Amino acid sequence: GAVVSQHPSRVICKSGTSVKIECRSLDFQATTMFWYRQFPKQSLMLMATSNEGSKATYEQGVEKDKFLINHASLTLSTLTVTSAHPEDSSFYICSAMGQGRSNQPQHFGDGTRLSIL
Amino acid sequence: LAKTTQPISMDSYEGQEVNITCSHNNIATNDYITWYQQFPSQGPRFIIQGYKTKVTNEVASLFIPADRKSSTLSLPRVSLSDTAVYYCLVGDPRNTPLVFGKGTRLSVIA
Repeated sequence: GAVVSQHPSRVICKSGTSVKIECRSLDFQATTMFWYRQFPKQSLMLMATSNEGSKATYEQGVEKDKFLINHASLTLSTLTVTSAHPEDSSFYICSAMGQGRSNQPQHFGDGTRLSIL
Repeated sequence: LAKTTQPISMDSYEGQEVNITCSHNNIATNDYITWYQQFPSQGPRFIIQGYKTKVTNEVASLFIPADRKSSTLSLPRVSLSDTAVYYCLVGDPRNTPLVFGKGTRLSVIA
């Protein structure tokens, strides 16, 4: 079945550091990828929609200059948390949809646990 | 996007059948119903998707009445490893993204 790979799985870094998270679709071309954030004991919250070759669409309240998204190819989208602070600590999850798969379920990566000290 | 309502939590003994019902009164014509399972510190995993009537796969069944205003995920003979959060999502796959509700936390006990 479809596989979405996310890397790294865990990051621990100092406040002020920028962190890049990669999301790859391994066996299909993902025209659209989504980025979610999940705090402990809460549900997933959509942050942004990433379309290959165009600017990402951010949800209300998500700072686009803080969370930089690049979807440069049909198999890779990256989320960069710039100048991360402790309040950015969270579980970040991506999902992907592929070409010709509009009635197929989205597949999710296994998430990245970001801890800012 | 159709809003969903499902029980916050459920408990079950091993070996029992578990049915989790989700209400989605405002479901639109083009919306599909999709269920995901999530374990701690992992991404959601697709369980099953349907549009109407009944869908069955190797892990679950999905029952959707004619009015489509609700759906029921049925997990046959649950085991301890089925302890997880289960999310019901409703949406048009052509007009994504998926919006997650609070989910149902299923606890399976021996």
